Amino acid sequence: GNSVTQMEGPVTLSEEAFLTINCTYTATGYPSLFWYVQYPGEGLQLLLKATKADDKGSNKGFEATYRKETTSFHLEKGSVQVSDSAVYFCALARMKAGNMLTFGGGTRLMVKP
Amino acid sequence: NAGVTQTPKFQVLKTGQSMTLQCAQDMNHEYMSWYRQDPGMGLRLIHYSVGAGITDQGEVPNGYNVSRSTTEDFPLRLLSAAPSQTSVYFCASSLAAYQETQYFGPGTRLLVL
Repeated sequence: GNSVTQMEGPVTLSEEAFLTINCTYTATGYPSLFWYVQYPGEGLQLLLKATKADDKGSNKGFEATYRKETTSFHLEKGSVQVSDSAVYFCALARMKAGNMLTFGGGTRLMVKP
Repeated sequence: NAGVTQTPKFQVLKTGQSMTLQCAQDMNHEYMSWYRQDPGMGLRLIHYSVGAGITDQGEVPNGYNVSRSTTEDFPLRLLSAAPSQTSVYFCASSLAAYQETQYFGPGTRLLVL
């Protein structure tokens, strides 16, 4: 079946540090890949997505590249801010179930001033 | 345009009670779904719908019931609440095809005693 594995947190960084959150997936066919972010007390918001191999999704300084050869979609940001503190979820979309998502367990990021 | 709305925000139930979590969207989206979020497990799909009158089970459907009589509304019913159903519930919707972004509601926090 389809599954998503992401690094466990929490990840604690100082402001302006470099961020990487690892995400790998198992899926049949060619899934679309997503990063969602959840700020405290809120629902999930789409951060970025990629729909085919070698695509790079980017938004708000975050980037992730769809690597089919390594089945990975790692999230990176060159310089994090305190406002980036949130929980980040990697997910894939399954064609068989319409547009339904399979999520990783989430990674909590804490950025200290 | 309110997006995806959910009510109530918070609910406490006793074991065995029933209740309905409401979800509505005003974006004319065909796809709607319910997820539950538990610590360290990401979000898991409960039920989903690809259009009015059509519903199907997700990963964890037991103890939940859904119907989709209109495009806008997708209520989730707990038939006989159990402590294992203590969770945060998110409703989501998307326009169509699997590459499309899903939009999440703010969530309902449910506590079953």
